[in-house]
Amino acid sequence: GIQVEQSPPDLILQEGANSTLRCNFSDSVNNLQWFHQNPWGQLINLFYIPSGTKQNGRLSATTVATERYSLLYISSSQTTDSGVYFCAVVSMNYGGSQGNLIFGKGTKLSVKP
Amino acid sequence: DAGITQSPRHKVTETGTPVTLRCHQTENHRYMYWYRQDPGHGLRLIHYSYGVKDTDKGEVSDGYSVSRSKTEDFLLTLESATSSQTSVYFCAISESLGGGYNSPLHFGNGTRLTVT
Repeated sequence: GIQVEQSPPDLILQEGANSTLRCNFSDSVNNLQWFHQNPWGQLINLFYIPSGTKQNGRLSATTVATERYSLLYISSSQTTDSGVYFCAVVSMNYGGSQGNLIFGKGTKLSVKP
Repeated sequence: DAGITQSPRHKVTETGTPVTLRCHQTENHRYMYWYRQDPGHGLRLIHYSYGVKDTDKGEVSDGYSVSRSKTEDFLLTLESATSSQTSVYFCAISESLGGGYNSPLHFGNGTRLTVT
């Protein structure tokens, strides 16, 4: 099945810094989403972005489907950005996932005041 | 916020006992999912449902069963709980399979299950 790798696994930033999180995937996808899990465990959908670029406030995401990667940019980071960021994809070839999302292991972000 | 309620929020049980977790939605979404989250593994799909009485297995379905008798409720049952099933369980909903442009995947707040 499709492999989803996120990097870096851990990231520590000072408040106000910018960061880039990366998601590589091993097969063509027709669905890619980014999620944020806050320190209390809540999972929030950030972007649906199988291709192209989207922006929402200080967050933006770019997916280059032909090169099988996606990037999540966080600008002017705040302590409330802390948590784990997950990338999840649906492979065009489905395989065993039957069209369901396959999640990466996440990037843990800690923003220090 | 999407109307998803998971119950219980926390549960401690003994090995070998049956356990049922409940997910209730008020959004009338077609698809419902159960995921488990474990350190080092991210989120893994256990089972999902695409309609009333229509369910299918995910990547880690062994030891779990599900039922969906009403659109709004999706139950996850551990027939005989084992220590390896200690985890945080998340329910999710969407209008299309896997979620999409106008139908993002929405998660409940999770159930922390400990099997002793």
